[in-house]
Amino acid sequence: EVQLVESGGGLVQPGGSLRLSCAASGFAVSNDYMNWVRQAPGKGLEWVSVIYSGGSTYYAGSVSGRFIISRDNSKNTLYLQMNSLRVDDTAVYYCVRYIYSFGFDPWGHGTRVTVSS
Amino acid sequence: IVMTQSPDSLAVSLGERATINCKSSQSVFYSSGNKNYLAWYQQKSGQPPKRLIYWASTRESGVPDRFSGGGSGTDFTLTINNLQAEDVAVYYCQQHFGIPPWTFGQGTRVEIK
Repeated sequence: EVQLVESGGGLVQPGGSLRLSCAASGFAVSNDYMNWVRQAPGKGLEWVSVIYSGGSTYYAGSVSGRFIISRDNSKNTLYLQMNSLRVDDTAVYYCVRYIYSFGFDPWGHGTRVTVSS
Repeated sequence: IVMTQSPDSLAVSLGERATINCKSSQSVFYSSGNKNYLAWYQQKSGQPPKRLIYWASTRESGVPDRFSGGGSGTDFTLTINNLQAEDVAVYYCQQHFGIPPWTFGQGTRVEIK
């Protein structure tokens, strides 16, 4: 069964850092395009970042220069290093697989990040 | 690419039809593959989103056939026929055309009237 399990969320002060992890099972993260998508409280979905199977990375303008997406193929795990966190980064962060042209599936259950003093 | 959904919310009686519109600021149609890179997702309260439709009109396996997607280029629709109580959710369209960012619509909340 294909499954994604996020971890690493929590409460952090503005300006702080946090690293999210996403453990995959049932497939290899290195074979697909792996994404982070976030959802602020009561708001819609916002695409955050992707790492292609070939290693290329892309970011939303709102996080570019502050967040870094990476993966560890040996652990079959995706990461999101979040630096210089701001109050408006508060959200549930979902890990999602993208198979080219088919859209996003599956989604993890998300990990909550709260940025507050 | 900016995705705009309408309406933001709608209330429909059980057994009736709900129609959600999604407009992209530029075409998401790949002529070489003859496909629209447009997906629809359903998000129920407290759950992660779930893909319902890809390529604008192809239903995910297991999705009831009362859900249908249509449109091409820049204008798309999600139709829910014979609305059921379990269809109460927020629905999002998303384009994944070309180089990211891959953007979502703002969402449409469907409720029972």
